[in-house]
Amino acid sequence: EVQLVESGGGLVLPGRSLRLSCAASGFTFHDYALHWVRQAPGKGLEWVSTITWNSGGIAYADSVKGRFTISRDNAKNSLYLQMNSLRAEDTAFYFCAKDAYSWNSGAFYAWGPGTLVTVSS
Amino acid sequence: QSVLTQPPSASGTPGQRVTVSCSGSSSNIASNFVYWYQQLPGTAPKLLIYKSNQRPSGVPDRFSGSKSGTSASLAISGLRSDDEADYYCAAWDDNLSSPVFGGGTKLTVL
Repeated sequence: EVQLVESGGGLVLPGRSLRLSCAASGFTFHDYALHWVRQAPGKGLEWVSTITWNSGGIAYADSVKGRFTISRDNAKNSLYLQMNSLRAEDTAFYFCAKDAYSWNSGAFYAWGPGTLVTVSS
Repeated sequence: QSVLTQPPSASGTPGQRVTVSCSGSSSNIASNFVYWYQQLPGTAPKLLIYKSNQRPSGVPDRFSGSKSGTSASLAISGLRSDDEADYYCAAWDDNLSSPVFGGGTKLTVL
């Protein structure tokens, strides 16, 4: 069974940094592209970033480009999101999601339960 | 403002058939697959329909997806109280080179 578990969320001051992690199990991690999707409380879903199986393809939403960095460690079955220069509008639940392919198909076939990031002074 | 347009709410009574619409454009729905996600209250989204009309294993055949031109629809037949959830459509957008979502439709079972 595919399992994705996010961690690293919390309360952070505007302008500071936070690193999210996603631990994966139940599938051959290095075979698949992975995504981060976020959801502000009470709002809709927003794609944040995608990384392909070998980290050769990386994409970001314009809203986070230049501030967030996605990465993965295939030896540790882990996905990461380094978030710098955080803003109030980055407050959201952050979900790790698995693609069905090694490349970015833009589809989210399995999801983690999410971790909440709150940016506030 | 979401790239894909969904009605904010829909409702039906148990046993009824309801549909949720999703409107897009030539750069997304018309030229790419559509995906539907179900988000039950307080939980993470779950893939409900993939590649416009395919159901993942475990999803009841009460749920079906269709696409025509720049629009797509999710149909739920034999409505049940535990179908009460938020439903999101999504598709790849060729102009943005990224996946895009609809704003979500909150389904209420009366």
